[in-house]
Amino acid sequence: SQKIEQNSEALNIQEGKTATLTCNYTNYSPAYLQWYRQDPGRGPVFLLLIRENEKEKRKERLKVTFDTTLKQSLFHITASQPADSATYLCALRMDSSYKLIFGSGTRLLVRP
Amino acid sequence: DADVTQTPRNRITKTGKRIMLECSQTKGHDRMYWYRQDPGLGLRLIYYSFDVKDINKGEISDGYSVSRQAQAKFSLSLESAIPNQTALYFCATSDPSGSGIQETQYFGPGTRLLVL
Repeated sequence: SQKIEQNSEALNIQEGKTATLTCNYTNYSPAYLQWYRQDPGRGPVFLLLIRENEKEKRKERLKVTFDTTLKQSLFHITASQPADSATYLCALRMDSSYKLIFGSGTRLLVRP
Repeated sequence: DADVTQTPRNRITKTGKRIMLECSQTKGHDRMYWYRQDPGLGLRLIYYSFDVKDINKGEISDGYSVSRQAQAKFSLSLESAIPNQTALYFCATSDPSGSGIQETQYFGPGTRLLVL
């Protein structure tokens, strides 16, 4: 069956460290993968997109990698800050579909 | 995102009642979506619309209906609400890029629905 999995346990790290979140998928062949941030009581907000033929994408303190062999994307936040505390969602899009398939998200807590 | 608004923000209703959730957008996007979010299950697509005359079922459309009244408005109805429809509901919009595949979705603030 098709699955997209994110760690359901919260990631708790110290301010200034690098946070690494994982998104694994099975039985999909995504054309691209997106990462969103969701704060409590609010809708998700788009952060980054990476295509199937790209290995890495960066935006300021954010970095995303995409390994289609491992069927995995890693999302990194360097020099993390308490303001980075939120839930982070990954989403896949297949070439043949206009729909996004979302993971359930991983909550990140950055301690001051 | 203030460009996508949802009303009401919170709603409590009783089993069997018909309710409507409304979504409006000022982004000028043709594509609109309704999702529900449940703890541990992520966002699941209920319905989507690529223009005013185009309505498509998502993965969990049973018990729901939609209406696309205009490019800017997309409403979701629960014909006869049941407790397992208690969830957080999000409307989203997108605008396809030139390639048609690189769509970022813009979400509203959500409606928290409780069905008793």
